[in-house]
Amino acid sequence: AQKVTQAQTEISVVEKEDVTLDCVYETRDTTYYLFWYKQPPSGELVFLIRRNSFDEQNEISGRYSWNFQKSTSSFNFTITASQVVDSAVYFCALSEAYNDMRFGAGTRLTVKP
Amino acid sequence: DTGVSQDPRHKITKRGQNVTFRCDPISEHNRLYWYRQTLGQGPEFLTYFQNEAQLEKSRLLSDRFSAERPKGSFSTLEIQRTEQGDSAMYLCASSPGTLLTEAFFGQGTRLTVV
Repeated sequence: AQKVTQAQTEISVVEKEDVTLDCVYETRDTTYYLFWYKQPPSGELVFLIRRNSFDEQNEISGRYSWNFQKSTSSFNFTITASQVVDSAVYFCALSEAYNDMRFGAGTRLTVKP
Repeated sequence: DTGVSQDPRHKITKRGQNVTFRCDPISEHNRLYWYRQTLGQGPEFLTYFQNEAQLEKSRLLSDRFSAERPKGSFSTLEIQRTEQGDSAMYLCASSPGTLLTEAFFGQGTRLTVV
C-alpha cells in the first residue's frame, strides 16, 4: 500500500531563512511518481514538481530545490531565502503508475517578516 | 482555458439531504479525480475516471456517494442522505493522458452539513 509521511506538522521561520520540508514514502512498486503541491490560504492546490522513480537527480527551480533519495525513501523540499508569500500548506504525494495520488498530511509553513 | 472549475464553491445542507457537486475539467484531459479534504489533513482519494469509465473507487466512497462522468467531460459527485461527517472540502482534479503526470486541481466545493 502507498503511504506518505510528513512528520513536520507546522514550521515557522523568519523571512530569508532556509527551510526544508521532509517527506518519506512507502511503496512496493518500482515505478512510481512523487509530487509536491502547495496549498495557499485560497485553498487551491498548486503543482510544484513531479519526479519519477527512475530519476534521482536533484532539481532546482529558483529558490526551490528537491532532494530525492531512493535509499532512504525520501523526497525533501527546500526553500532558500524564504519569503512571506511562501506561507502555505505543502503536501507531498505519491502515485504508483496508472494509479491515483496519495497525499501526506501536509506541513504548514509560516514565514514571518 | 481557465483551468478546473467546480460548482458550487460552498454548500450548506441539512443532515439527511442530498447534494450534488459539479466539476468541469480542463478540456481534453482524459483523467478526472475526486478527493476529499478535511481540516488539517491532506486530500484523500475518492475515485477517478478515465474518460467516462470510473476505474477506481476508494473504500471511503460509501454507497451514499456516487460519481458520474457521462460523456467523458464534466463530472458530478452526489452524496445522498448527508451526515455531519461528510462535511469537508471536495476537490476535483484533471490530468492529461493515461498516466498520472501533473494533476490540476480546482478550488474545491466546501460542504457543511448542519
